[in-house]
Amino acid sequence: DVKVTQSSRYLVKRTGEKVFLECVQDMDHENMFWYRQDPGLGLRLIYFSYDVKMKEKGDIPEGYSVSREKKERFSLILESASTNQTSMYLCASREGQGSSPLHFGNGTRLTVT
Amino acid sequence: QQQVKQSPQSLIVQKGGISIINCAYENTAFDYFPWYQQFPGKGPALLIAIRPDVSEKKEGRFTISFNKSAKQFSLHIMDSQPGDSATYFCAASTGTASKLTFGTGTRLQVTL
Repeated sequence: DVKVTQSSRYLVKRTGEKVFLECVQDMDHENMFWYRQDPGLGLRLIYFSYDVKMKEKGDIPEGYSVSREKKERFSLILESASTNQTSMYLCASREGQGSSPLHFGNGTRLTVT
Repeated sequence: QQQVKQSPQSLIVQKGGISIINCAYENTAFDYFPWYQQFPGKGPALLIAIRPDVSEKKEGRFTISFNKSAKQFSLHIMDSQPGDSATYFCAASTGTASKLTFGTGTRLQVTL
């Protein structure tokens, strides 16, 4: 079974802090994704990566950056956390394109105070 | 811009009833339509998916109905069970795209 592991289940940070969310997958998938989940807004794509050191903006990249130095690891970075970034963050990986399924981690609940 | 519109936002169904969740899309280039199921505290997981060359796909109690001309697709859960209580997301993508575009989600509660 594919396993996508997010390093923290809950995280509380202060406004202005730099925040790192880490994600590791164990199935050698090319593609990795960061989504945020908010009630009534569903899953919105922040960034994705289709290869090491490659990245593309998703639908809501403002205020975020990403890093993919190794194939199995994809990090989401909040350069200066703000209260409107309080959310559930979900990492996912996928083999190839088309109809291959997304495999999600269990999420990181980030609260910015 | 909401490319995939999902309704209803929440749904309460009695045990044994039929749950129906609807989605509509705008991008005619979409050619892959999966549904994801998410239980509390867990990430979403693929439930069932369809391509537009068929109008219906059934897997156990779960059926996707697809209407290409109307640009709509729906999930039907027959004989709904309390264990089906979860949040359901429809999604869409093109065959060459890496990313999925998700709907806003439907929180289903199946009561005894």
